[in-house]
Amino acid sequence: EIVLTQSPGTLSLSPGERVTLSCRTSQSVTSTYLAWYQQKPGQAPRLLIYDASSRATGIPDRFSGSGSGTGFTLTISRLEPEDFAVYYCQHYGSSAMYTFGQGTKLQIK
Amino acid sequence: QLQLQESGPGLVKPSETLSLTCTVSGGSLRGSSYYWGWIRQPPGKGLEWIGSIYYTGTTYYNSSLKTRVTISDDTSKNQFSLKLRSVTAADTAIYYCARPSTNYFNALDVWGQGTTVTVSS
Repeated sequence: EIVLTQSPGTLSLSPGERVTLSCRTSQSVTSTYLAWYQQKPGQAPRLLIYDASSRATGIPDRFSGSGSGTGFTLTISRLEPEDFAVYYCQHYGSSAMYTFGQGTKLQIK
Repeated sequence: QLQLQESGPGLVKPSETLSLTCTVSGGSLRGSSYYWGWIRQPPGKGLEWIGSIYYTGTTYYNSSLKTRVTISDDTSKNQFSLKLRSVTAADTAIYYCARPSTNYFNALDVWGQGTTVTVSS
């Protein structure tokens, strides 16, 4: 079973800053099935990135994803106040199994 | 526009069965190459996939829950359901239904708002 490890657990940043979140997988995965989600308090997760680097419909271009093999990143080029949230990476694998990372919380400094 | 809505009891007693339903609107449960899934989130914790049902009726479950979980569908009502047996306090969580999209390589692009289930006597 693939394990996804996100780092750091929490980040304190200011609006306008650039941030890169990390997601490492316990074994090499197909980047096609690597996604990122944003979750705000009291809300369901929202799909940001699929196929490791493609933005979902309506996602601003300040969000970008990259990576391959066992290392993937989500970058927010310039933080907006609404970007402070928890971010999860997710892998879709065999037997239609979904595995999520434990999340990275982005909080305002 | 496709929408999902979870429903079911908010309180379940230990050792009993948790039963939730997800109603699909703005689209059809069958007739397209989609999975439909359940994900949960314990208070203050991360997301855990519970299982999925394919449009053919084939089911897939998280290995850690498979002995207690059944996912089924009712095409006449455009609904799919979750049953989790022998619940304990560890099953207290927000339960979401969600749909992966083949357009997004099975990433979960449509989510219900979630329903909170508490396991307590």
